[in-house]
Amino acid sequence: DVKVTQSSRYLVKRTGEKVFLECVQDMDHENMFWYRQDPGLGLRLIYFSYDVKMKEKGDIPEGYSVSREKKERFSLILESASTNQTSMYLCATTARGNTGELFFGEGSRLTVL
Amino acid sequence: AQRVTQPEKLLSVFKGAPVELKCNYSYSGSPELFWYVQYSRQRLQLLLRHISRESIKGFTADLNKGETSFHLKKPFAQEEDSAMYYCALTTSGTYKYIFGTGTRLKVLA
Repeated sequence: DVKVTQSSRYLVKRTGEKVFLECVQDMDHENMFWYRQDPGLGLRLIYFSYDVKMKEKGDIPEGYSVSREKKERFSLILESASTNQTSMYLCATTARGNTGELFFGEGSRLTVL
Repeated sequence: AQRVTQPEKLLSVFKGAPVELKCNYSYSGSPELFWYVQYSRQRLQLLLRHISRESIKGFTADLNKGETSFHLKKPFAQEEDSAMYYCALTTSGTYKYIFGTGTRLKVLA
């Protein structure tokens, strides 16, 4: 059974704080993604990684960075959180070269005050 | 540019009524189309994909390349179908999945 685990389900942070969101998968998948889910806007891709230490910007990378030091772990970093980054963040994985199923984590709901 | 459009934010139907969730896409090549579903308090999960041409939980979706549509249909809605539904597109050779804005389906008793 595929497991994509996001370490924090709910976070409340203050403006300007540094925020780390972690995602761990046990499927040995090469591709990992971070999406932002907002009502009326759907899912928007922030960053993705197709291999260890490799990353590419998605559609809305501004204000975010990522880290992939190990295959199973993909971190999303907000260097200086702002209120407009209040959102639900979803991690997803899929195998290399696979245009098939994305496996999602349960999500991390971040509130920035 | 690739785009997925779901025109309805909310669709309410009565139990036993037919359901059609609309999805239109723009892409000049051969896309792969998917429907994902998110039930209350659960993670987003794949419902079906066009290449498998199967029916899942009574839902079907046919890719119409002429109309660039991939509408999701079910002949008789059930209360447990109430959820958020997202249409998504990807293309061979890329890692990008493009999602629509989602349609919330409410099935009323």
